[in-house]
Amino acid sequence: DAGVIQSPRHEVTEMGQEVTLRCKPISGHDYLFWYRQTMMRGLELLIYFNNNVPIDDSGMPEDRFSAKMPNASFSTLKIQPSEPRDSAVYFCASRRGGGTEAFFGQGTRLTVV
Amino acid sequence: GEDVEQSLFLSVREGDSSVINCTYTDSSSTYLYWYKQEPGAGLQLLTYIFSNMDMKQDQRLTVLLNKKDKHLSLRIADTQTGDSAIYFCAESTGTASKLTFGTGTRLQVTL
Repeated sequence: DAGVIQSPRHEVTEMGQEVTLRCKPISGHDYLFWYRQTMMRGLELLIYFNNNVPIDDSGMPEDRFSAKMPNASFSTLKIQPSEPRDSAVYFCASRRGGGTEAFFGQGTRLTVV
Repeated sequence: GEDVEQSLFLSVREGDSSVINCTYTDSSSTYLYWYKQEPGAGLQLLTYIFSNMDMKQDQRLTVLLNKKDKHLSLRIADTQTGDSAIYFCAESTGTASKLTFGTGTRLQVTL
């Protein structure tokens, strides 16, 4: 298995633009997580899905952030409009139901200028 | 809510043992984890311990859990330069699936 695949690896965008981050979880995993990593706040859970259904989105910072999981093999995290303070590394992770290990993707480094 | 704390930085000499510490606040934590993050990479699970255990050993890694004090530690024996990375402590609670991460400890291994 190729592991959790995120795209793009790097994204540079101008303030006000829409940004879409993509994630393909490991096949057969029921849970998908979106995390954000910054120097100031460390790793924060933004939202997670179980069987494509959002379970907890309390970590989504503002209405500018939205996430979808239209099927078991794909999820997106969208920021519209983006702001410089959204600059961070965004990680996607997936886990099998009943399993203990969450597998992380390589992350998307987002820079908003 | 849950809170997980770690010291930010640790420097050790190659061949010495490293001990990375973590404290957490949620007494109902079920699993406690140690993840490793190398530069430019995602997080990789190193080991985990169930809350009813005191110790777990896996090759050079030893995890100690003091549930009374809500203290978790990771000992790396014979630390190598390849162990230089950021180490995250994390916890999950009951049937909750989400992980709460600590701030991460940057381990620097010097020659």
